[in-house]
Amino acid sequence: EIVLTQSPGTLSLSPGERATLSCRANHTISSTSLAWYQQKPGQGPRLLISGASDRATGIPDRFSGSGSGTDFTLTISRLESEDFAVYYCQQYGNSLPWTFGQGTKVEVK
Amino acid sequence: QVQLVESGGGVVQPGRSLRLSCAASGFTLSIYALHWVRQAPGKGLEWVAVISNDGSEKFYADFAKGRFTISRDNSKNTLYLQMNSLRVEDTAVYYCARDGLYSDKNGYLNGVEAFDIWGQGTMVTV
Repeated sequence: EIVLTQSPGTLSLSPGERATLSCRANHTISSTSLAWYQQKPGQGPRLLISGASDRATGIPDRFSGSGSGTDFTLTISRLESEDFAVYYCQQYGNSLPWTFGQGTKVEVK
Repeated sequence: QVQLVESGGGVVQPGRSLRLSCAASGFTLSIYALHWVRQAPGKGLEWVAVISNDGSEKFYADFAKGRFTISRDNSKNTLYLQMNSLRVEDTAVYYCARDGLYSDKNGYLNGVEAFDIWGQGTMVTV
């Protein structure tokens, strides 16, 4: 099973600041198979990034993804008020089961 | 509007059964695989099961094997999760999600390797 470890657990930042979220896998995974999701309280997750760096439809360009192998990063260039949420990385289909990281909460400082 | 809407959650005693439904609209359900994902209170996301677009293939997380059954009725645009022998640790919000990959009419894979559409979830309390 591929285990994804996200860091930090919580990121305390102010609007306008840059957020850098990390996702590390215990085995090499294909870059095409790494996705990022945003989840707000009481809502289902929303796809932000697939293929490690491809923004989903309607996702603002302040969100960007990068990385390869075992290390991946989600960057939010300038935090807006609506960006404070929990973010999850996911490995898709490298092996069963599909797995998610434990999440990074981006909170207002 | 592309959407998934779960229903069927509720409070149930340990050992009992529950069937969840997920109604799809706004897209052609029959070309997509579908997943169930759960989230225990205050916890992260945990994949439960997947079913292929035509229902011929199904895969489960270890905790779901032998107790949960995923199924679909494309004529009704609906996905199901039959949960038997429920345990306290099955308490969670259950989400259905669309697999972003699909085969076009020529058999080529299109879309994205991700779960691109999610429902709002239904709460199951055991």
